[in-house]
Parts: sequence; structure tokens; C-alpha cells
Amino acid sequence: QLVLTQSPSASASLGASVKLTCTLSSGHSSYAIAWHQQQPEKGPRYLMKVNSDGSHDKGDGIPDRFSGSSSGAERYLTISSLQSEDEADYYCQTWGTGIRVFGGGTKLTVL
Amino acid sequence: DVQLVESGGGLIQPGGSLRLSCAASGFSFSRYWMSWVRQAPGKGLEWVASIKQDGSEKEHADSVKGRFTISRDNGKNSLYLQMNSLSAEDTAVYYCSSGAYEIDRWGQGTLVIVSS
Repeated sequence: QLVLTQSPSASASLGASVKLTCTLSSGHSSYAIAWHQQQPEKGPRYLMKVNSDGSHDKGDGIPDRFSGSSSGAERYLTISSLQSEDEADYYCQTWGTGIRVFGGGTKLTVL
Repeated sequence: DVQLVESGGGLIQPGGSLRLSCAASGFSFSRYWMSWVRQAPGKGLEWVASIKQDGSEKEHADSVKGRFTISRDNGKNSLYLQMNSLSAEDTAVYYCSSGAYEIDRWGQGTLVIVSS
């Protein structure tokens, strides 16, 4: 079964960096994923696609502070030089035959 | 500017039906798979359904299969979600989105409340 696992919460200080993790279920370590950001009271925004080889393709207008990487079954979203507006929920998403799957989301708090 | 604008949400009684619409602009709608994704109050994102560019393939989540139907009209640059036999568990913000695999565009959503 295709499942994405995310930590429920994370925190980091203003100006620092943070690395969020999304873990693919067993047998699916070659899958690409997408990262989405949802700021409070807003709709989601597409950030980027992250491939199993660590390459990533960002959406239009996504700042260079956002980057993606991979290791095994884990896919990462790194945000550097944290700003207050980065405080949001972050969701990973993948796809299989006839389905799309979302992780449970990570709530990022900027201290 | 790329825009996905949902409409049709509202308060509906359990067992009722509702049809959501999404008006797309600023991109070649007919070239993209389109999807509906929902978010229950205080919860995460849940994929609902997806449809191929020409409407020939449709995919629905198990939670809505047999009750919801996705469709599109490329001539009107519009996406639809027909929702039947609604229950309280269907209460959510429904988002229109694009992308065959990774979702790469999102609308702002329309709220559906199922309650008596």
C-alpha cells in the first residue's frame, strides 16, 4: 500500500534552516513526490517535484530558499533563511496507478 | 495569470446532492489532467478524483466511488464534481487542481457543509 509518512510538527528559528522529511512506504522507494505549502487560512500552493535521484523541479515563483533532495525512501524539503511567512503546513504527495496520495502534513512553526 | 475558481459549495442536508464547478483560465485547460482534492475542517488533504485531458479516463478515491463523479467540458474550460448521497463525512473545502501526477496548480476552494 502506497503511504506517505510525515512528522506532525517541526520548528526552527527565524533566519535558520529546516529540513522536512516525507517517507515512502516499503516497496515504493523509487517514487517521486511533490511538496505543497499551505499557509494559514489559504489554499495549498505547489512548491516542487522531487525525484528519487534527488533532482527537483520547482514551481513558478518559488524562491531559491526552497530546495528538495532524496535519500532512499525519504524525500526532503529544505527551507533556508526562514521567514515568518514560511510558517505553514507542508504536505508531500505522490501517485500510483489510479490513485494520488497525500502525507498527513507537517506544521512548521517559525520561532 | 493562471486561475482556478471553484463554485457551487454550500450547506446541504445529509443524503442530498451538489454539483461543484471549477472555471479555469490562463493555461491550456484541455492539455491537463485535472483533479479534485478536499480538506475536512482541521484535517489534511485528501485526493477525491482525477480526469484525463479528454475525459476518457476517470479515477475516484474509494471513499467517494459510486457517489461522486468527476467530469469536464474543455469547450468551457470547466471541471465538475457531481456529489450524491452526501454525508457529514463529506464536509470539507473542495479544491480544484491540475496535474497528471504531481498536482501543480490549486484553486482557492469551495466549502461544502453537510448538515441537517
